[in-house]
Amino acid sequence: GENVGLHLPTLSVQEGDNSIINCAYSNSASDYFIWYKQESGKGPQFIIDIRSNMDKRQGQRVTVLLNKTVKHLSLQIAATQPGDSAVYFCAEGYSSASKIIFGSGTRLSIRP
Amino acid sequence: GAVVSQHPSRVICKSGTSVKIECRSLDFQATTMFWYRQFPKQSLMLMATSNEGSKATYEQGVEKDKFLINHASLTLSTLTVTSAHPEDSSFYICSAREGKGRGGYTFGSGTRLTVV
Repeated sequence: GENVGLHLPTLSVQEGDNSIINCAYSNSASDYFIWYKQESGKGPQFIIDIRSNMDKRQGQRVTVLLNKTVKHLSLQIAATQPGDSAVYFCAEGYSSASKIIFGSGTRLSIRP
Repeated sequence: GAVVSQHPSRVICKSGTSVKIECRSLDFQATTMFWYRQFPKQSLMLMATSNEGSKATYEQGVEKDKFLINHASLTLSTLTVTSAHPEDSSFYICSAREGKGRGGYTFGSGTRLTVV
């Protein structure tokens, strides 16, 4: 089936710096994208979502950018904090189906 | 906000036995729930879509006779791993679609299954 992949499996960031986590998707029919944060031994936690009719959406300290031309999605975290350490997944879905498919994940670690 | 409760959080069973995992939507009704499996350091892989009152829809490569799904009510879906083997040891996560904010999907806290 379609797969959502990531460019970087791990990312190490200095505390206070901005983090950028990337995701490539392959299903051109996908029209809904979600970023999740997963801490060890827990279920995914919603961060932010974006629909295909938008190219940018901002939340609290987070921004998601969508480039449909190259099928690329990114999550920007401003002023990264120790509590941001986790694995981050993008997920994609499309209107004709209710399911969402997860990408391969990026582990974000914070350097003090 | 929407809450999904998953039980048990951890279970150890002997090879050849069956294990049932429950997924409950606590404060909303969920006509659709999803079951994922996650191996260490890997992503969540969708196993099946659970539909209230009808048969589950399984993803390609997932054995429906081994992973039995029942969605008998609008707040409960169960996943039964039948005749479990060590290779079935994994982290199983359910989610429910509630169609509102927070992405529209709420996830349970997962079940760590260890088959010995």
